[in-house]
Amino acid sequence: GQNIDQPTEMTATEGAIVQINCTYQTSGFNGLFWYQQHAGEAPTFLSYNVLDGLEEKGRFSSFLSRSKGYSYLLLKELQMKDSASYLCAVLNYGGSQGNLIFGKGTKLSVKP
Amino acid sequence: DSGVTQTPKHLITATGQRVTLRCSPRSGDLSVYWYQQSLDQGLQFLIQYYNGEERAKGNILERFSAQQFPDLHSELNLSSLELGDSALYFCASSGQNLMNTEAFFGQGTRLTVV
Repeated sequence: GQNIDQPTEMTATEGAIVQINCTYQTSGFNGLFWYQQHAGEAPTFLSYNVLDGLEEKGRFSSFLSRSKGYSYLLLKELQMKDSASYLCAVLNYGGSQGNLIFGKGTKLSVKP
Repeated sequence: DSGVTQTPKHLITATGQRVTLRCSPRSGDLSVYWYQQSLDQGLQFLIQYYNGEERAKGNILERFSAQQFPDLHSELNLSSLELGDSALYFCASSGQNLMNTEAFFGQGTRLTVV
């Protein structure tokens, strides 16, 4: 089966750092995506990891451990506009449930 | 602008009716995905097409069907609509494969069944 878990909600303070975790159990693995989604809007791409390690892109970084089925998204210097849902998605070409499967998302609230 | 176009943006219809949602993928993208997102829920995969052929199927109801046309645009047909079908329906497109690239999402169609 396919299972992707993320915390439902998180709260953090403007200027702080927050880490959003994602664990996955899938029949195959060809990479992991993080997307940001503001309420009622389309998801937008943040990062892609296919090899173990950390990928850094400005204020956002994403980490992957394939052996542990684990990823996290790190957001630094939080801004109010970062309040959104963050979606973890696993790419699995052999998946019977489609190639790109999303977790339920983590709703992040950034407080002043 | 992701380059993926979905129409209409909003749709209000009555129970029992049938609607068609349309998606034009980014230029050159061969894969089209359809997702359903109910209020405060995650993205539920419905179906994927690649170059006109069905590639993968998720938890798509029998009342729903889709197709991808030779010009690569796709349509999602929802019939015998129920109140629970009210949701945001997203279409996403990607290139020949997703390696080193991402799926781009349209702005979605908000369907309200009354």
